[in-house]
Amino acid sequence: DAGVTQSPTHLIKTRGQQVTLRCSPISGHKSVSWYQQVLGQGPQFIFQYYEKEERGRGNFPDRFSARQFPNYSSELNVNALLLGDSALYLCASSDPRSSYNEQFFGPGTRLTVL
Amino acid sequence: AQSVTQLGSHVSVSEGALVLLRCNYSSSVPPYLFWYVQYPNQGLQLLLKYTSAATLVKGINGFEAEFKKSETSFHLTKPSAHMSDAAEYFCAVSDRGTGNQFYFGTGTSLTVIP
Repeated sequence: DAGVTQSPTHLIKTRGQQVTLRCSPISGHKSVSWYQQVLGQGPQFIFQYYEKEERGRGNFPDRFSARQFPNYSSELNVNALLLGDSALYLCASSDPRSSYNEQFFGPGTRLTVL
Repeated sequence: AQSVTQLGSHVSVSEGALVLLRCNYSSSVPPYLFWYVQYPNQGLQLLLKYTSAATLVKGINGFEAEFKKSETSFHLTKPSAHMSDAAEYFCAVSDRGTGNQFYFGTGTSLTVIP
């Protein structure tokens, strides 16, 4: 089975622009989470979606938004980009029926804001 | 909120030596605990997880971790380091109740010296 896929792999934007990142979960997984990993730090939770509903939100500004589609894929949108938004954005999928909430991560999208 | 502390942002060991990476969590109720590995320019790969079935957990690539409630620790070990173990290692915790969000430590970079 295919793992979690993300697109694009790399992205370069300038300050003030908007960006959309995409994620496709493992087949059968209905939950998708997004994380931001700044260089040299651990991933920070941004959002979790399950069945198209937001289930959790981390401490990120309203410039960050996300949605989940009927096929359980997801998009993360970031508006008015700042230099500090440069990071690796990770998507993870999980099966909420699992008792342990084990999350499976994609390879990430590397965003550079100039 | 949960938090995870990884002592030692950089650890160096000789090839064949014992690997010990430290992780402590803060929670009054034992959470679910995970160790992930991240190779350069890649996403996170699950090494092992603690879900209360056993305090000593064996994972992939010869790694194991022991859950110690009295010490609120979940240290990762490997008896004999291999060059291919060089990577970034992250400890993560998930609440048992909601299971929605992972809290990651800041990571430990492991260098293996030939």
